[in-house]
Amino acid sequence: DGGITQSPKYLFRKEGQNVTLSCEQNLNHDAMYWYRQDPGQGLRLIYYSQIVNDFQKGDIAEGYSVSREKKESFPLTVTSAQKNPTAFYLCASSIRQGEVYFGPGTRLTVT
Amino acid sequence: GIQVEQSPPDLILQEGANSTLRCNFSDSVNNLQWFHQNPWGQLINLFYIPSGTKQNGRLSATTVATERYSLLYISSSQTTDSGVYFCAVEFRTGGGNKLTFGTGTQLKVEL
Repeated sequence: DGGITQSPKYLFRKEGQNVTLSCEQNLNHDAMYWYRQDPGQGLRLIYYSQIVNDFQKGDIAEGYSVSREKKESFPLTVTSAQKNPTAFYLCASSIRQGEVYFGPGTRLTVT
Repeated sequence: GIQVEQSPPDLILQEGANSTLRCNFSDSVNNLQWFHQNPWGQLINLFYIPSGTKQNGRLSATTVATERYSLLYISSSQTTDSGVYFCAVEFRTGGGNKLTFGTGTQLKVEL
């Protein structure tokens, strides 16, 4: 099946620890995105990448880092510098200027 | 940056009723999409509609790019239509194409 996978579905971490969220797609899409959603809120863009080995900061990049070493993969690291990391994280992909598709998301809880 | 506003923010309907959701955006965009977020958080693509009108069953959408708005029509609503509806616009930046989400419309369809 073609699609976007995010793992794990739920993730729990202690404050002060870095954590990496996985996002993999087998749709042969060039562009990939990471969004954050807080309860009752919309989606805010963290980072996006149009091609391998290149990525851009979104609207709320502080405290996050990404890499794009392979076309299929766009992992997101939530660092200890992120002040409020507990949120729902959504990964997406698309062909350039095409329809965007989302993964099922990862719910991160930091205590 | 570009502003994307949706109205109404909340909507309660009786099953069988029709409704119109609106998305206004503040600048020229390359593309526009409508999504439905189900209670489990999954974002489902409804329409990819940079301009014109499209229909899919009980749903239809119209985008008037020159006037910077899009409308989503839901006819004969069902309880399964409940959830949050987002529009998202894609526009070009120095770092590539960026997808920005609107504020969302929370829809509840009651029996």
